[in-house]
Amino acid sequence: AQSVTQPDIHITVSEGASLELRCNYSYGATPYLFWYVQSPGQGLQLLLKYFSGDTLVQGIKGFEAEFKRSQSSFNLRKPSVHWSDAAEYFCAVGELKAAGNKLTFGGGTRVLVKP
Amino acid sequence: DSGVTQTPKHLITATGQRVTLRCSPRSGDLSVYWYQQSLDQGLQFLIQYYNGEERAKGNILERFSAQQFPDLHSELNLSSLELGDSALYFCASSGGQSSSYEQYFGPGTRLTVT
Repeated sequence: AQSVTQPDIHITVSEGASLELRCNYSYGATPYLFWYVQSPGQGLQLLLKYFSGDTLVQGIKGFEAEFKRSQSSFNLRKPSVHWSDAAEYFCAVGELKAAGNKLTFGGGTRVLVKP
Repeated sequence: DSGVTQTPKHLITATGQRVTLRCSPRSGDLSVYWYQQSLDQGLQFLIQYYNGEERAKGNILERFSAQQFPDLHSELNLSSLELGDSALYFCASSGGQSSSYEQYFGPGTRLTVT
């Protein structure tokens, strides 16, 4: 069965500093990987996705993520954090089958931004 | 705005009751997914419908059921509610069986069972 681990429950970062959120997955085949962000009281917004090809993918809001098959990782990065990036971030792996493509989510990482 | 709508936004009800959550997918999307987000279980997949047919099932309780109608909107029915059913319920949609793998989420329905 597929699974996703986000080792960091909370991360505090200063505004303007860089951010890296870790994500490790377990999946038997080629994974479809996603990062979503959830602001307080809001739904989930898709930041970026990896299906195949270039292992460095660019997303919205200045985020990028790198797929490393050898490490089963899909870490999210942002060079310079803004106060509006304070939110909870979820990594997910998609199971694509003829019968459906459910997402399995990690536990999330809550990001706090210090002024 | 993802284009996925969910109603109601909030729902407060008592144990033993039954409620219905409604979801309208993005225009053109054929698949609808339901997820539950709770503090102890995190985000969990419940069920998927594609063009009116059930396609995948996750950790959905027998007290819960869903359906997708010809106009592609979906309803999640929760019955014999328990305190532990209090959670945020999300609906998501995607473009088709294999044409689009990313899922777009609605704002959620927050269910409180008292």
